[in-house]
Amino acid sequence: EIVLTQSPGTLSLSPGERVTLSCRASQSVSRSFLAWYQQKPGQAPRLLIYGASSRATGIPDRFSGSGSGTDFTLIISRLEPEDFAVYYCQQYDTSPLTFGQGTKLEIK
Amino acid sequence: QVQLVQSGAEVKKPGASVKVSCQASGYTFTGYYMHWVRQAPGQGPEWMGWVDPISGGTNYALSFQGRVTMTRDTSISTAYMELSRLRFDDTAIYYCARDPGNRNSYWYFDFWGRGTSVTVSA
Repeated sequence: EIVLTQSPGTLSLSPGERVTLSCRASQSVSRSFLAWYQQKPGQAPRLLIYGASSRATGIPDRFSGSGSGTDFTLIISRLEPEDFAVYYCQQYDTSPLTFGQGTKLEIK
Repeated sequence: QVQLVQSGAEVKKPGASVKVSCQASGYTFTGYYMHWVRQAPGQGPEWMGWVDPISGGTNYALSFQGRVTMTRDTSISTAYMELSRLRFDDTAIYYCARDPGNRNSYWYFDFWGRGTSVTVSA
């Protein structure tokens, strides 16, 4: 199974800052079959990015994804107050589908 | 708009079974695979498997094979996930999540239910 390792575990930032989240896979994720989700407390995850870099419907353009192979990145260009949440990456190249353990963005 | 409405919270004893439902609306139920994903307290999500709403075919994660059964009732646009021989570490929020592939399976999730809390307690 492909293990996804996200770093850092927690980030303390201020609104307006730029943030880069990392997701590293234990083996290559072919065809960039990687998605990113945002989860707020008490809510289900929300799809942000699929195919490593395609924004889901309704997702603001301050969210962008990149990467290939084993290294993927989610960038939020300018943090808004509603962006403070936990972010998960998920690979869908190989069964079983797997998620990272998450990166928590908290307000500094 | 797409909505996935799940059944209410459950408390079960170890060894028992639980069946969670997920009623879909706002789209053609038979057009999209339905996945089940669970999330234990403080943990990342864990994929359990999917059901094909047309054929009823399933694909389960190895770690759940033998204990999980995913079914559907197309007449009421509802998917079900039953987990048997419950253990304490099955305590989690269980989500249904739609695959965005129209008659295909892309294996990521574009719409999620709000989750069903399952607590396994003696």
